[in-house]
Amino acid sequence: QVQLQESGPGLVKPSETLSLTCTVSGGSISSYYWSWIRQPPGKGLEWIGYIYYSGSTNYNPSLKSRVTISVDTSKNQFSLKLSSVTAADTAVYYCAGVMTFGGVIVGNWFDPWGQGTLVTVSS
Amino acid sequence: QSALTQPRSVSGSPGQSVTISCTGTSSDVGGYNYVSWYQQHPGKAPKLMIYDVSKRPSGVPDRFSGSKSGNTASLTISGLQAEDEADYYCCSYAGSYTLWVFGGGTKLTVL
Repeated sequence: QVQLQESGPGLVKPSETLSLTCTVSGGSISSYYWSWIRQPPGKGLEWIGYIYYSGSTNYNPSLKSRVTISVDTSKNQFSLKLSSVTAADTAVYYCAGVMTFGGVIVGNWFDPWGQGTLVTVSS
Repeated sequence: QSALTQPRSVSGSPGQSVTISCTGTSSDVGGYNYVSWYQQHPGKAPKLMIYDVSKRPSGVPDRFSGSKSGNTASLTISGLQAEDEADYYCCSYAGSYTLWVFGGGTKLTVL
């Protein structure tokens, strides 16, 4: 059973870059498109973007100018960088998988999910 | 402002049924049969409950069912139990540019 674990700083200063890593265990990193999803306190979910193990990416148009997602297959990890952060980027950040087969997305749903990590943007 | 519209809250007594709606547009909910639903307990990660509008993952009780009509998807929970009290989010595929959009979430209270 695939398990995901987010890691990274819980506090980031305004205008700096938020960096998080998600470690994949219990399964093949090539079996999913790996997504980042965030949830501001008391609010709904927002899809940020995804990456495939090949390096192919796709980002939410609303965040595209500030987001970079990368993958390190040797470590079974993928990472999120969000630049020029403001207080509006304060959220719980989740990593999650979208099922793929042969590189094609076959499931338009998110499962599994990591436990999430709270990132606060404050000076 | 979330892309998909859900009621802020719904409630029901144990044993009753409740339905949570999720309204989008022809560019998302109405355009694809790719609606999923997630249950989120406080402080926990979302859990997939329904995918492809009406399919249940293994392990999800058959008390949970999904449907869609036009631009509105619905999640129905029958035989309400105390452990069903949680936030519920809908999600829809929205095309190759936007990909996925979520609803703002609905808080289910079991009275």
